[in-house]
Amino acid sequence: NAGVTQTPKFRVLKTGQSMTLLCAQDMNHEYMYWYRQDPGMGLRLIHYSVGEGTTAKGEVPDGYNVSRLKKQNFLLGLESAAPSQTSVYFCASTSGSYTGELFFGEGSRLTVL
Amino acid sequence: AQSVAQPEDQVNVAEGNPLTVKCTYSVSGNPYLFWYVQYPNRGLQFLLKYITGDNLVKGSYGFEAEFNKSQTSFHLKKPSALVSDSALYFCAVRDRTGTASKLTFGTGTRLQVTL
Repeated sequence: NAGVTQTPKFRVLKTGQSMTLLCAQDMNHEYMYWYRQDPGMGLRLIHYSVGEGTTAKGEVPDGYNVSRLKKQNFLLGLESAAPSQTSVYFCASTSGSYTGELFFGEGSRLTVL
Repeated sequence: AQSVAQPEDQVNVAEGNPLTVKCTYSVSGNPYLFWYVQYPNRGLQFLLKYITGDNLVKGSYGFEAEFNKSQTSFHLKKPSALVSDSALYFCAVRDRTGTASKLTFGTGTRLQVTL
């Protein structure tokens, strides 16, 4: 049982380049999230989705776009990467129940030079 | 808006001693509260949650947490620490009236258990 899978695990970009992070879950979860983790700042929500075809902004959405074309996949895009986007990115999913915990992927470490 | 505070960046404890990692929260109404653990270069793993009922919640790996409504706290505890418990611990809160089941996380507390 794979759970939540993120690709790639590591990536180095130059300022201005674009890239997409892929998150895939095999638990038939409705809700999916993208967080970024920075030292001393915990996890901050970038964007989230409550179902196929829907997306919404989180706490720190600027510079990112997302898409949820299929229920099992949630893509995070950086159109023009900036050094401030150097971070570790985590995808998470949950069934949507208010009592349910989030299930996290292993993370994607992005460095923007 | 919901928020969580973890006042200690790091907690140091000797193996075999009890440990406490502190968490306070702020939500409108009654909260759902969670603890997660993160080992180096790994994702977050769920430890335990408070939904309703008993104020003392038991979770994975011998951890437990005490919900205190009057102090708006949800401290993580373990009677006897192990070196293998060394990791980064996150407290999180979900507002029962909020949308999208979003969790708000604290900044994390690094637990260092030494021999």
